[in-house]
Amino acid sequence: AQKITQTQPGMFVQEKEAVTLDCTYDTSDPSYGLFWYKQPSSGEMIFLIYQGSYDQQNATEGRYSLNFQKARKSANLVISASQLGDSAMYFCAMETSYDKVIFGPGTSLSVIP
Amino acid sequence: DAGVIQSPRHEVTEMGQEVTLRCKPISGHDYLFWYRQTMMRGLELLIYFNNNVPIDDSGMPEDRFSAKMPNASFSTLKIQPSEPRDSAVYFCASSLTGGGYGYTFGSGTRLTVV
Repeated sequence: AQKITQTQPGMFVQEKEAVTLDCTYDTSDPSYGLFWYKQPSSGEMIFLIYQGSYDQQNATEGRYSLNFQKARKSANLVISASQLGDSAMYFCAMETSYDKVIFGPGTSLSVIP
Repeated sequence: DAGVIQSPRHEVTEMGQEVTLRCKPISGHDYLFWYRQTMMRGLELLIYFNNNVPIDDSGMPEDRFSAKMPNASFSTLKIQPSEPRDSAVYFCASSLTGGGYGYTFGSGTRLTVV
């Protein structure tokens, strides 16, 4: 069965520090994609970063990078130089072979000034 | 581009009433997805369409839920009759290719059934 696990319900980070949000996944598909979304308190879902299963290099988008370890089935999100505006829920997601995207339970990140 | 447009933003209804949620996807996007978000269950995929055709409705919780996409620019999610446990935020998302890359979510509809 395809599944996303995020084991950190809540995380705290000091402003300007880096933080890693964990994500592990389970799939038997040879080809898949992994995503991270941000959901601030206002409720909208914001796409952050994408990693394809065959991509050789880890994805980066500005202060966001995805630490992809295929053998370990992990796709951790690294946020560098945290800002107060980074306080939000973060969801790891995976696209399946049937074009569906399933989401993990989310991690609540709080950035402390 | 106006993005994915959902209406209404908030809906409060009494148990037993019919509720209709609406979604306008991004023009040119062939895929449309309906999700439900609750504290207990997180984000659940309810149903998705490709070129207006329902492809997978296995996430629809009960027969009280139905979804239609009569054309490429409009979809509805209907709950009849509504129950308090249907209270949630319902998101619509659209995508060009079906996968999550380029997924765009609407702002969601917060449904409260009293």
